[in-house]
Amino acid sequence: QLQLQESGPGLVKPSETLSLTCTVSGGSISSTGYYWGLIRQPPGKGLEWIGSIYYSGSTYYNPSLKSRVTISVDTSKNQFSLKLSSVTAADTAVYYCARHGTPLANDAFDIWGQGTMVTVSS
Amino acid sequence: SSELTQDPAVSVALGQTVRITCQGDSLRTYYASWCQQKPGRAPALVIYAKNNRPSGIPDRFSGSSSGNTASLTITGAQAEDEADYYCISRHSSGNRWVFGGGTKLTVL
Repeated sequence: QLQLQESGPGLVKPSETLSLTCTVSGGSISSTGYYWGLIRQPPGKGLEWIGSIYYSGSTYYNPSLKSRVTISVDTSKNQFSLKLSSVTAADTAVYYCARHGTPLANDAFDIWGQGTMVTVSS
Repeated sequence: SSELTQDPAVSVALGQTVRITCQGDSLRTYYASWCQQKPGRAPALVIYAKNNRPSGIPDRFSGSSSGNTASLTITGAQAEDEADYYCISRHSSGNRWVFGGGTKLTVL
C-alpha cells in the first residue's frame, strides 16, 4: 500500500534553511485527486499545517509561514520537498508528510509518514 | 490560537460513550475529518467526510455535524482509544487547511 517517508537533517542551526524530502512509495505522486502535505508538531503541542502541493505544482501555504516556506514536487522521483528559511528554535518540531484528498476523493489527511524530528539549535 | 476549537481534555469511563466536539466557522461550509494520535506515533485518520470510516477503523467511531460544530462519538470506549484527537477542515477561504488544537481523551 502507499507509504510516505520523511528524510532530512535532524539538526539545523538558527537562521539557516530547513530542508526535508518526502518520498512516496507504493503509488504515484501524480495520482489525480490528492494533495501532498506537510504538517509539524512542536514537542508537547498540537498539529500545524505548513502547506500542500498538487502534482501539477500548485501550492498552498499556511499564511503564518508563507514568507519562509517553499514546497516543490519532483514527479520523476515520486518526491515532494519542504524548504523553511530563517529557522528559529520555534521551528523545532516533528515534521510529517501526509497525503490528503480533494473533495472528489475523501477531503481528508488519510496517509501519514512516520514523522522526523528536527531540532533548531546552534 | 486555532481556527477550530476543541476542548483540551475529555474523560470517559471504560465502555461508556463520549463525544468530542470541534467548533469553527469553516465547518458551516466544509466537512471535518478526525485523526487519532497515540503517544510517539503519527496521526491516523478515523473519520472523514462527516461520518465515513477508513478501512480497519472500528464502528464504535462515528461522526456528525451541525452548523459550526462537528463531533466525534466513541460508543463503548475501549482502553486503546485513549489518545489525542484532532479535527481538521478546510479553511473558509477554501485554499488552506486548519487543525483543531486537539483533545486528550482519557479512558478511566
